[in-house]
Amino acid sequence: QSVLTQPPSASGTPGQRVSISCSGSSSNIGNNTVNWYQQLPGTAPKLLIFSNNQRPSGVPDRFSGSKSGTSASLAISGLQSEDEADYYCATWDDSLNGQGVFGGGTKLTVL
Amino acid sequence: EVQVVESGGGLVQPGRSLRLSCAASGFIFDDHAMHWVRQAPGKGLEWVSGISWNSGGIGYADSVKGRFAISRDNAKNSLYLQMDSLRAEDTALYYCIIGYSSGWYLDAFDIWGQGTMVTVSS
Repeated sequence: QSVLTQPPSASGTPGQRVSISCSGSSSNIGNNTVNWYQQLPGTAPKLLIFSNNQRPSGVPDRFSGSKSGTSASLAISGLQSEDEADYYCATWDDSLNGQGVFGGGTKLTVL
Repeated sequence: EVQVVESGGGLVQPGRSLRLSCAASGFIFDDHAMHWVRQAPGKGLEWVSGISWNSGGIGYADSVKGRFAISRDNAKNSLYLQMDSLRAEDTALYYCIIGYSSGWYLDAFDIWGQGTMVTVSS
């Protein structure tokens, strides 16, 4: 059971906009910034969004992040086939003696 | 090119020890915190441990606290994870990660290695 809750799956057609949610509590998302990671099949994860809504260089602006209260969201616009991957949200939990926590991951399928 | 390369994984019996290493290159190693994150086969990601740029701050997941020890050698651009009293549930691919910041807490996991597999089984 992950500390952060994500839907196990999401899907969309090319060109569509999809959103993936990440729910936590006041001790984690409510008090700290959220990062998002993309894991393409058979590869290591990659930092996609940091500090709630910042994109590392090289990440297309089709990817955006937001946070409100104890929830966060990743949005992908103009969906492409190469976006098919697992997506994980992550943050830090102040109540667990300061530990990193991940969501369970969302498998995004491009139909 | 910025990269980290893990080594030291393998098959080990329950209760035994293993030491993972991570060689970093292409960036100023002692400007960054470093982390280990693991992924059990077919499962999600789990943060294991983090260490600040000067080893002044260290954190562990509850699942490994007291059994694993993280360390770094800035002179050798290297990160280590000493794993003792290994259990079957420690079986996973272990990733070495360059932190976005110099401190480990509240850090983002910036650059990931390809991982080294640890299998704990009799």
